[in-house]
Amino acid sequence: GEDVEQSLFLSVREGDSSVINCTYTDSSSTYLYWYKQEPGAGLQLLTYIFSNMDMKQDQRLTVLLNKKDKHLSLRIADTQTGDSAIYFCAESFDGGFKTIFGAGTRLFVKA
Amino acid sequence: DGGITQSPKYLFRKEGQNVTLSCEQNLNHDAMYWYRQDPGQGLRLIYYSQIVNDFQKGDIAEGYSVSREKKESFPLTVTSAQKNPTAFYLCASSIGEGGTEAFFGQGTRLTVV
Repeated sequence: GEDVEQSLFLSVREGDSSVINCTYTDSSSTYLYWYKQEPGAGLQLLTYIFSNMDMKQDQRLTVLLNKKDKHLSLRIADTQTGDSAIYFCAESFDGGFKTIFGAGTRLFVKA
Repeated sequence: DGGITQSPKYLFRKEGQNVTLSCEQNLNHDAMYWYRQDPGQGLRLIYYSQIVNDFQKGDIAEGYSVSREKKESFPLTVTSAQKNPTAFYLCASSIGEGGTEAFFGQGTRLTVV
């Protein structure tokens, strides 16, 4: 069945780059997403990549997709304390109606 | 401002009682979703609705019920049949088929006491 896996924690120093990794099992997904969740709040879409793309860059965010290895990564350049949150990887199927989320990676940014 | 609103933010329920969580959106989205979030786990889909008066079970629908009488509203009832209801519940909406983004509410934290 479909599954999305992420490491649970990542700690970086302010100003360094953060790389959050994700692996997925189903190659039929249409879109892959990165969502951000701050404490006690809902999820906010950070960026997404269509499954036929390899890379997408959006300001400080770079998404890399390796379809062969079913590996997705999110790189945050110049990480700030405000980037501390939980980051969820997700993939969607069935025209976008079905989305599978990973368990989330909690990013700690040390000043 | 357009958005999706969940209420209440915190909810306490006694064992054996049903409780209804509210979700309203003014984004004119066709699709709406309910997810459950537990510590250390990803979001799990409870129910989703692609259109008014229609909804489908997600992965963990047992012990829950929904209705979709209006496009704007998708209330979730947590029934006494749900054995472990304490969790953070998230509602979301999207344009529908082909949509690339789900918009999430702020969540409702349900605690059974």
